[in-house]
Amino acid sequence: GNSVTQMEGPVTLSEEAFLTINCTYTATGYPSLFWYVQYPGEGLQLLLKATKADDKGSNKGFEATYRKETTSFHLEKGSVQVSDSAVYFCALSPAQGGSEKLVFGKGTKLTVNP
Amino acid sequence: EPEVTQTPSHQVTQMGQEVILRCVPISNHLYFYWYRQILGQKVEFLVSFYNNEISEKSEIFDDQFSVERPDGSNFTLKIRSTKLEDSAMYFCASELSGATEAFFGQGTRLTVV
Repeated sequence: GNSVTQMEGPVTLSEEAFLTINCTYTATGYPSLFWYVQYPGEGLQLLLKATKADDKGSNKGFEATYRKETTSFHLEKGSVQVSDSAVYFCALSPAQGGSEKLVFGKGTKLTVNP
Repeated sequence: EPEVTQTPSHQVTQMGQEVILRCVPISNHLYFYWYRQILGQKVEFLVSFYNNEISEKSEIFDDQFSVERPDGSNFTLKIRSTKLEDSAMYFCASELSGATEAFFGQGTRLTVV
């Protein structure tokens, strides 16, 4: 079946540190991959996505590359800010190109200290 | 910017009681979803709804659950007889079509005591 395994948190970093949150997946076929972010008190927001192998999704300084050979979609940011403090969810959709019926990881809580 | 809104933000109910969680999807969206997250666990798909009927449901979505779009704007999740293990954060999402971005609400935290 389809599943997502995400790096356990919480993660605490100082401002301007480099961030990596690991995500690996198991899926049949060619899923689309997503990172969602949940800021305190808010809903899940799409951060970035990639719909096929070797695609790189990017937004707000965050990047993730769809690696089919390692079944991974690790989230990275070169220099985090306090405002990046949130919970980050890796997810996949079995439907290529879409977000139908998302399969989520557990989420990783990131805290960035000044 | 259009957003999905959920009410209430927190609901406490006694075991065995019925609860209705409410969602107002983005107005021109056609696909609707409910997900839940038990504390410390993964966000899990419950049900998808399109064209006034359930298009897919998970094993979790048993006979105690039902969904409705009663008036063309609200999308509700009803749990008929709540159990302790129903305590979770419930997220509603809507999508313009089946191949576009899903927009999520802020969630309803349900606590069954």
